[in-house]
Amino acid sequence: GENVEQHPSTLSVQEGDSAVIKCTYSDSASNYFPWYKQELGKRPQLIIDIRSNVGEKKDQRIAVTLNKTAKHFSLHITETQPEDSAVYFCAGQYSGAGSYQLTFGKGTKLSVIP
Amino acid sequence: NAGVTQTPKFRVLKTGQSMTLLCAQDMNHEYMYWYRQDPGMGLRLIHYSVGEGTTAKGEVPDGYNVSRLKKQNFLLGLESAAPSQTSVYFCASTYSRALYEQYFGPGTRLTVT
Repeated sequence: GENVEQHPSTLSVQEGDSAVIKCTYSDSASNYFPWYKQELGKRPQLIIDIRSNVGEKKDQRIAVTLNKTAKHFSLHITETQPEDSAVYFCAGQYSGAGSYQLTFGKGTKLSVIP
Repeated sequence: NAGVTQTPKFRVLKTGQSMTLLCAQDMNHEYMYWYRQDPGMGLRLIHYSVGEGTTAKGEVPDGYNVSRLKKQNFLLGLESAAPSQTSVYFCASTYSRALYEQYFGPGTRLTVT
């Protein structure tokens, strides 16, 4: 099955700086890669996703890049703000026959220091 | 729309006791999932369902059972709770398997003493 590894496990940045979280996956057939944000005590919520036919996707201050050859994808947050402090999870999914589940990384705790 | 709801929000059990966690969604989603979240372990899939009357095992199914008698409900049962099952449990649902967002419930914090 799919294995998703996520680095770093913790990340501290100064407000206004950029943050980058990286994930690698094992199954070359995976073709969907979402990122979820989980604030303390809350449920995970999707913030951005990318499909394998796209190399990069942006949504305001967040962007995701995908390198299918190297089997890794990254989340980039620019101009970080205190409200970006949360745990971020990457995930991978293969949407072919018989596949119905996401495999999550173990999470990155991002702290934005004012 | 309430989205995905979970009952109860908190529960404390003694070792050996049983309980059922209820997940309900009002979005007419076909797929539903139960995850457990432990510190440093991310979200691990316990069981999932691809439609009413169907269930399947995920990554960590031992000690849990599930049922999906109605499309909108997905139940997670612990027959004989163990301290290792102390965790936060999240239910999620999605429209189809094909690359759609999973919507999560608010979670149930379970402590087994």
